[in-house]
Amino acid sequence: ETGVTQTPRHLVMGMTNKKSLKCEQHLGHNAMYWYKQSAKKPLELMFVYNFKEQTENNSVPSRFSPECPNSSHLFLHLHTLQPEDSALYLCASSQGAGVRNEQFFGPGTRLTVL
Amino acid sequence: ELKVEQNPLFLSMQEGKNYTIYCNYSTTSDRLYWYRQDPGKSLESLFVLLSNGAVKQEGRLMASLDTKARLSTLHITAAVHDLSATYFCAVDIETGTASKLTFGTGTRLQVTL
Repeated sequence: ETGVTQTPRHLVMGMTNKKSLKCEQHLGHNAMYWYKQSAKKPLELMFVYNFKEQTENNSVPSRFSPECPNSSHLFLHLHTLQPEDSALYLCASSQGAGVRNEQFFGPGTRLTVL
Repeated sequence: ELKVEQNPLFLSMQEGKNYTIYCNYSTTSDRLYWYRQDPGKSLESLFVLLSNGAVKQEGRLMASLDTKARLSTLHITAAVHDLSATYFCAVDIETGTASKLTFGTGTRLQVTL
């Protein structure tokens, strides 16, 4: 079991719904990440937070809104999604900058947009 | 833009055989990671390679890094069915704050009896 947890594990939502994904890390790390994994595509980095500050937004549509209230928690707020947003959303954490900055991943949230 | 290419994309091999997965990347980096993903599961860290010439081994898997050639390899020795999974390499470009991983497309390994 990793030190990164995600809830919910599965989510089905309509295009007009608003929902949130939650990620929590118990590793004492300073950086947290959101990735999207679609079928037959490489993992795509969406957002990076370091010490609660957003340091990367990889041209993600505004219907995805991240929030990082502290170094242990990361949210991804979803609204008016499209069917092509259906994917596995993975959260990860790492110590932050440094020689060994290995990222540890959570179990993911499988999102289906109808 | 950093590009990370893995080959093959799919590999079917018999138990007991050896094979190598290749990971090529397009820009300078001296940090590379290998991950394993089982179907429907998250990514599990396998190896962290932090310098040119680094070699790490764990069981039947061995990873190496040649930063001059911008190439990493994951060698499988005497494959067993439990190794069936998708393997990803990821190249780290440190931004000075957090890391920024660019993943390869993955190699789906199927080990048959």
